[in-house]
Amino acid sequence: GESVGLHLPTLSVQEGDNSIINCAYSNSASDYFIWYKQESGKGPQFIIDIRSNMDKRQGQRVTVLLNKTVKHLSLQIAATQPGDSAVYFCAEKKGDSGAGSYQLTFGKGTKLSVIP
Amino acid sequence: GAGVSQSPRYKVAKRGQDVALRCDPISGHVSLFWYQQALGQGPEFLTYFQNEAQLDKSGLPSDRFFAERPEGSVSTLKIQRTQQEDSAVYLCASSPYRGSSYEQYFGPGTRLTVT
Repeated sequence: GESVGLHLPTLSVQEGDNSIINCAYSNSASDYFIWYKQESGKGPQFIIDIRSNMDKRQGQRVTVLLNKTVKHLSLQIAATQPGDSAVYFCAEKKGDSGAGSYQLTFGKGTKLSVIP
Repeated sequence: GAGVSQSPRYKVAKRGQDVALRCDPISGHVSLFWYQQALGQGPEFLTYFQNEAQLDKSGLPSDRFFAERPEGSVSTLKIQRTQQEDSAVYLCASSPYRGSSYEQYFGPGTRLTVT
């Protein structure tokens, strides 16, 4: 079935460098996307979200880019810090009507390791 | 303020036992979600409540899984006759808005191990 997936399962970056985590989605009906960070033993923590009527959204040190043409989502983290080490998940939601509209579909995750 | 809390944090059950997992959402949050997260995987949707109404239970893997939120606040996920494949982290999330088009606040999860 349609699903959200990630290109890279692991990513190692030097402290201070920028990180880019990629995500491909295949459901063209999805209208809302969200990135979560999950540290070991904890629940997912919201990072940033974006709706399908936008191409880019910026937060504090993070930027999400949405390319609907190729169904691609990315998370950019500026000046990566050791505290950014975690597993990052993208998730998508189908449109507001029909079955599954209450569901977020998560990808498998990318593990980000920051090298001090 | 207090976030989403879940109890117990860890549960070991023998195969065939029934278990009950509790979720205390953030006070006043309308929406409550349950997810199952297998090791090394992303969370998978189980069920959704809007106040006390269970509007979507399509993610529950079998009729051994049952969830309730009788007063629109605390929720319980019950698994009957547990099987080894039920071993996972069960996550609860809540949101002040209806539906899933908004940030969900997750609890720490309950790690269930079925032996």
